[in-house]
Amino acid sequence: QKEVEQNSGPLSVPEGAIASLNCTYSDRGSQSFFWYRQYSGKSPELIMFIYSNGDKEDGRFTAQLNKASQYVSLLIRDSQPSDSATYLCAVIYNQGGKLIFGQGTELSVKP
Amino acid sequence: SAVISQKPSRDICQRGTSLTIQCQVDSQVTMMFWYRQQPGQSLTLIATANQGSEATYESGFVIDKFPISRPNLTFSTLTVSNMSPEDSSIYLCSVGGFSSEQFFGPGTRLTVL
Repeated sequence: QKEVEQNSGPLSVPEGAIASLNCTYSDRGSQSFFWYRQYSGKSPELIMFIYSNGDKEDGRFTAQLNKASQYVSLLIRDSQPSDSATYLCAVIYNQGGKLIFGQGTELSVKP
Repeated sequence: SAVISQKPSRDICQRGTSLTIQCQVDSQVTMMFWYRQQPGQSLTLIATANQGSEATYESGFVIDKFPISRPNLTFSTLTVSNMSPEDSSIYLCSVGGFSSEQFFGPGTRLTVL
């Protein structure tokens, strides 16, 4: 069974610090990797998408993918209280585009 | 990214009844998906809605309980049938494709009494 694992948290960081979120996946056939942010009571919002090994940066967000070790991480630099949310890691396997989600990591950024 | 709307945004229903949730996209899309998010949980795929053919259901989900329609490339419906309190969840549609970004609608929050 294909699995995506995340630490549930909560992860607490002070404002201005770097938040590091990690995700591992079980199937080496995984094609694409996503990070979604979900505020309480809202639907998931796509913040990063990566499919090649290495780093991808977008503003304060950096996604890191290591296919050999089967993990993908998300770094949030200069964390802000508005970054407080649940971060969902999701993976697409080569089976029709369906997303498999991890359980999510709750991030709390303290002022 | 596509603009996705869902109706209703929330509903409170009695057990044994059915609710149909609509998902509308502002552009034609090949793939549409329906997810469920139970309280305090992550998202679980219910089915892939295929235009012009039967939906493809994931393990644990059946057509009799969650019938899906996909009459065209911009619209889909999900019906939650014969509801019980265990069906209380947020139901989300998403659009996207193979190995590409997927975007979610705002969700339908369902409470079954």
